Amino acid sequence: EVQLLESGGGLVQPGGSLRLSCAASGFTFSSYAMSWVRQAPGKGLEWVSGISGSGGTTYYAGSVKGRFTISRDNSKNTLYLQMNSLRDDDTALYYCAKETTVPATLGYFDYWGQGTLVTVSS
Amino acid sequence: DIQMTQSPSSVSASVGDRVTITCRASQGISTWLAWYQQKPGKAPKLLISAASNLQSGVPSRFSGSGSGTDFTLTINSLQPEDFATYYCQQANDFPWTFGQGTKVEIK
Repeated sequence: EVQLLESGGGLVQPGGSLRLSCAASGFTFSSYAMSWVRQAPGKGLEWVSGISGSGGTTYYAGSVKGRFTISRDNSKNTLYLQMNSLRDDDTALYYCAKETTVPATLGYFDYWGQGTLVTVSS
Repeated sequence: DIQMTQSPSSVSASVGDRVTITCRASQGISTWLAWYQQKPGKAPKLLISAASNLQSGVPSRFSGSGSGTDFTLTINSLQPEDFATYYCQQANDFPWTFGQGTKVEIK
């Protein structure tokens, strides 16, 4: 059974940093591209960042480029999102999501975690 | 960035009704489109990929169509468990972008 478990969320002040983790199980983690998608309270979905299975290629939304860094440790089956220079509008529930197909990065997500909440506030 | 616009933003329907949700892309995306269902407090669920490819386990009352800039999600014979918010998402070009969502409510 595929499982994705996010952690690392919490309350942080504007300008602060946070690192999110997503522990994966039930599939060959290193074969699949992964992404982070966020949802502000009461709002819609926003794709944040993606990474290839090998970790060699990364992609970012313009709103986070230069502030967030996606990475993965395939030996630990874990996806990360390092978030720096956090702003109020980064407040959201952050989901990790698994790509449907190997080895391509098609942009379709068939499994999602339950999310970890990041609150940016002074 | 490619903008995705869904209509309507919300729809009230009864069990057994047919519901149609449309999604328009700001530029052509071929069939690089997905539909997701999200229930309150839950993660999104992938219903359809590549505009019309129904995911395994998704009931056949759901169907998707379209290409280029205009797409449709149809729910035939709406069931109680279908009341949720639906999102389209383009996967043609980075950054991948979602529509604003369509809430299907009970009439």
